Amino acid sequence: DGGITQSPKYLFRKEGQNVTLSCEQNLNHDAMYWYRQDPGQGLRLIYYSQIVNDFQKGDIAEGYSVSREKKESFPLTVTSAQKNPTAFYLCASSFQDRGAEAFFGQGTRLTVV
Amino acid sequence: RKEVEQDPGPFNVPEGATVAFNCTYSNSASQSFFWYRQDCRKEPKLLMSVYSSGNEDGRFTAQLNRASQYISLLIRDSKLSDSATYLCVVNSGKLTFGTGTRLTIIP
Repeated sequence: DGGITQSPKYLFRKEGQNVTLSCEQNLNHDAMYWYRQDPGQGLRLIYYSQIVNDFQKGDIAEGYSVSREKKESFPLTVTSAQKNPTAFYLCASSFQDRGAEAFFGQGTRLTVV
Repeated sequence: RKEVEQDPGPFNVPEGATVAFNCTYSNSASQSFFWYRQDCRKEPKLLMSVYSSGNEDGRFTAQLNRASQYISLLIRDSKLSDSATYLCVVNSGKLTFGTGTRLTIIP
């Protein structure tokens, strides 16, 4: 089945540790996105990539890093520099065509204690 | 000014009522527009794309007004299952989401 997969679904980390969230898609999509959602809030863009080996900062990139070494994969690292990392993280992908819809993974709930 | 603005609600409406949401965007170069639905603690899913000519899918109608830079969503004959958060999305080279409008349909 084609789709976009995020893992793990729930993640707990101690404060001060870096953590990497996985996002894989087999839809042959060019563009991939990472969003953060806090309770009762909308989605805020962290990073996005429109092509392999290239990515751009979104609105809240500080404290995060990404890589796009393969078309299928766009991992997000939440570093210890991120002040409030506890949130729901959503990965999405789409074709490059601006009229194309984005498909989302099921999300990762990160809790930092 | 936020790139995409929505009334966060909540909207509490009786079953069978008609409800309308609006969303404004600031980037006049935006090229495509969508409405997504998000259920509690789930990922967003596409509800409708929005075209300049307007489009309808059953009880749902979406419209785009480029001159005024807003998009709208109309839900007719609302059902209990329509209760969710509705997110407007604008593509200007990156996908930008509104904060979402929470809708609760009351029996």
